[in-house]
Order: sequence, then structure tokens, then C-alpha cells
Amino acid sequence: DVKVTQSSRYLVKRTGEKVFLECVQDMDHENMFWYRQDPGLGLRLIYFSYDVKMKEKGDIPEGYSVSREKKERFSLILESASTNQTSMYLCASSSGRRVKNIQYFGAGTRLSVL
Amino acid sequence: GNSVTQMEGPVTLSEEAFLTINCTYTATGYPSLFWYVQYPGEGLQLLLKATKADDKGSNKGFEATYRKETTSFHLEKGSVQVSDSAVYFCALRANNNDMRFGAGTRLTVKP
Repeated sequence: DVKVTQSSRYLVKRTGEKVFLECVQDMDHENMFWYRQDPGLGLRLIYFSYDVKMKEKGDIPEGYSVSREKKERFSLILESASTNQTSMYLCASSSGRRVKNIQYFGAGTRLSVL
Repeated sequence: GNSVTQMEGPVTLSEEAFLTINCTYTATGYPSLFWYVQYPGEGLQLLLKATKADDKGSNKGFEATYRKETTSFHLEKGSVQVSDSAVYFCALRANNNDMRFGAGTRLTVKP
């Protein structure tokens, strides 16, 4: 089974802190994604990556950056956390570029910024 | 652009009731369509998928048929259980690899 592991289930940070959210997948997938999930808005794509050291902006990249130094790991970075970044963050991975390929999700990290 | 619209929740049903969650989409080309489920405290899991028109995806008693003529992919289950209580997301993946999710529909099934 594909396993996508997010390092923390819950995080509480203060405004202005630098925050790292880590995601690791064990299926050698090329593609990795970061979403945030907010009530009534569904999932919104922050950043994605099709290969090591490659990154693409999603729909809402402002205030975030990412790092993909190794194929299995995709990190989301909040350079200076703000209260409007309080949300559930979901990491996903998938293989190849075929339209029918499935995205596999981690359990999510619920981040609270105080 | 590509988008997914699904019925707003929350939906509350009694055990053994019939479930329909509506989903319609807008996309160029021939997208693949998915239903994901999120149980409390967990990430999203794939429930079922359909990759071309008239395909029927099915899993755990849930079904959805890819209707290109009505651009729909409605989720149905004939008899829901308490354990089906979750948030359900309709999603599409377009030819340009763009993945879009609906807003989610929360289902609560009461005994």
C-alpha cells in the first residue's frame, strides 16, 4: 500500500514564526502536492512538484514556499506564519502524468497560528 | 477553467436510507472523475473513479456513473450505514493534469 506520512498531526505556532510541514511518501512517486483544506472551500492547491528540485505554484502560493531535495520528501514552508494560515494541510503524491492516476493523501496536519 | 460543483451539506440520513450526493463538472477535453472520502481525523481516501464516459465506478456499495451528456458524476448508495458518516469530495483530473476538488459534502448517518 502507498503510504504518505505527514510528520505532525497537530501544530500550534505563533504569528511570525517560520513553520515547516514535512511529507514523505514511500512509493517512488514523481508527483507531490500540498493542499490546504478549509470549510466550504474544499481543497486548494498551494504548490506541487513533478520531480526533484522542481516546483510549480498552485492556486494559492502566497505566503508559502516548498522544497523538494529528495524524491520522497516534499516540505511546505511558511516563512512568517499568520493567523489566516490556520488550516488543515494535506500532502498528496501520485505517479506519472496520466489523467487517470490517483492521488494518495496523508492524514493531514492541523495548524493553528495564534 | 476546470471546476467541480457538488451539493452543499450537511446531509443527515437514517441508517438504511438511500444516498445521493450530486456532482457536476466543467472541463475541457476528457477528464477522469473521482470520489474521495475523508473520515473524521483522517486524510482523503479514494472511494471510486471513472476514466471515460459511461464508466461506472463502484466500491463499498457506493456507485457513480460518468455522464458526459449532463457533465455529472453523482454518488449513490442504496443503504447507508453509520460507518459511512464522513465528508465526501468529488474531483476531476483534466487532460492538462489539473486536479480540482469540490467543496465537500458532510454526511451524518444516524442509527
